[in-house]
Amino acid sequence: DGGITQSPKYLFRKEGQNVTLSCEQNLNHDAMYWYRQDPGQGLRLIYYSQIVNDFQKGDIAEGYSVSREKKESFPLTVTSAQKNPTAFYLCASNPGSVSTEAFFGQGTRLTVV
Amino acid sequence: DAKTTQPNSMESNEEEPVHLPCNHSTISGTDYIHWYRQLPSQGPEYVIHGLTSNVNNRMASLAIAEDRKSSTLILHRATLRDAAVYYCILRDVYGGSQGNLIFGKGTKLSVKP
Repeated sequence: DGGITQSPKYLFRKEGQNVTLSCEQNLNHDAMYWYRQDPGQGLRLIYYSQIVNDFQKGDIAEGYSVSREKKESFPLTVTSAQKNPTAFYLCASNPGSVSTEAFFGQGTRLTVV
Repeated sequence: DAKTTQPNSMESNEEEPVHLPCNHSTISGTDYIHWYRQLPSQGPEYVIHGLTSNVNNRMASLAIAEDRKSSTLILHRATLRDAAVYYCILRDVYGGSQGNLIFGKGTKLSVKP
């Protein structure tokens, strides 16, 4: 079945370590997004990519990096520069049109100790 | 970017209709109105979207005011599985957000048996 897959579901890391979250989609979507969600809050946009080999910063990009070398993959690296990385991270994809629905992964819960 | 305003929380009884309001007084002519919902510890799920006319699908109905400054998501018979946070979002390809999904805090719907 087509969909968007995030892995792992839970991730624990020590403070100061970089960590990469995986996001893969087989929907042939052009646009992909990364969001961060803190407890009781809405989603905040970290990075987005409208096309392969191109990506843009969202509202809270500091301390994060991404790549978009393949259409189906949009990994997010949480670097040691991110001051408060513990959060729920969500990846989404969309064909690229505002008149179509976006699909979300099930999220990765990152805990930094 | 055009913003939306939703009540923080609402309650409903099981098997009764639920009307979730959303105000978007600064909506532009090219903004699509999207609704998503998020169950605890899951990624958001698409519910419905529309531009000017009312829309129906198997999950819900979307009623859009004639001046488009407000809309209402209608769940015809609430079930316990409908308990979630509901987000009303505007998407405009011509806006600065390039049609990105910009989330607010949404409305937390509780359903009582």
